[in-house]
Amino acid sequence: DAKTTQPPSMDCAEGRAANLPCNHSTISGNEYVYWYRQIHSQGPQYIIHGLKNNETNEMASLIITEDRKSSTLILPHATLRDTAVYYCIVRVDEDSSYKLIFGSGTRLLVRP
Amino acid sequence: GAGVSQSPSNKVTEKGKDVELRCDPISGHTALYWYRQSLGQGLEFLIYFQGNSAPDKSGLPSDRFSAERTGGSVSTLTIQRTQQEDSAVYLCASSFYGNTIYFGEGSWLTVV
Repeated sequence: DAKTTQPPSMDCAEGRAANLPCNHSTISGNEYVYWYRQIHSQGPQYIIHGLKNNETNEMASLIITEDRKSSTLILPHATLRDTAVYYCIVRVDEDSSYKLIFGSGTRLLVRP
Repeated sequence: GAGVSQSPSNKVTEKGKDVELRCDPISGHTALYWYRQSLGQGLEFLIYFQGNSAPDKSGLPSDRFSAERTGGSVSTLTIQRTQQEDSAVYLCASSFYGNTIYFGEGSWLTVV
């Protein structure tokens, strides 16, 4: 089972910031938080990941709470092309098996 | 190639036939993953290969499903005696050990 909880859907206006929350209250100390998105049944696209510090790249920012029990993905200026399903995933590390277990994700709709 | 390559991109097969789906991972990547996504559903983990270690087959839904990875590179997912419920997109992904996982665009399988 996925170790994360996300709202099933969200929307935001084009040009505004999209803030996507994720709860991972049972995360272990050495587990990373990964974010992927999937646009219209294409292959999932990697966005960003982090352990405990906030991270930023050209796509997004990731804010992880100090207790690491939740995080927020921020798309600073959402565009229509950001409409997708966003998955927050805690990276399982069991006997060196680094597989990702996907939950249901958040369906983000960016409105014109 | 630069990314994970999968073939065929689309496959229609008759119920009861066997099918083979191929995955070429990113060059140098040690780990290879197979996932399945039925229409409108989330991603379901199937199998994971890491180097020469025994594969993690914990996600294979039945003994009709099998996968091989030859020479630590190319992988083939085989579905024997296909059923209509096997219709889905089959996604392959790869990573360098526990680093970021990158996905291909998938092979769409339709069983009629």
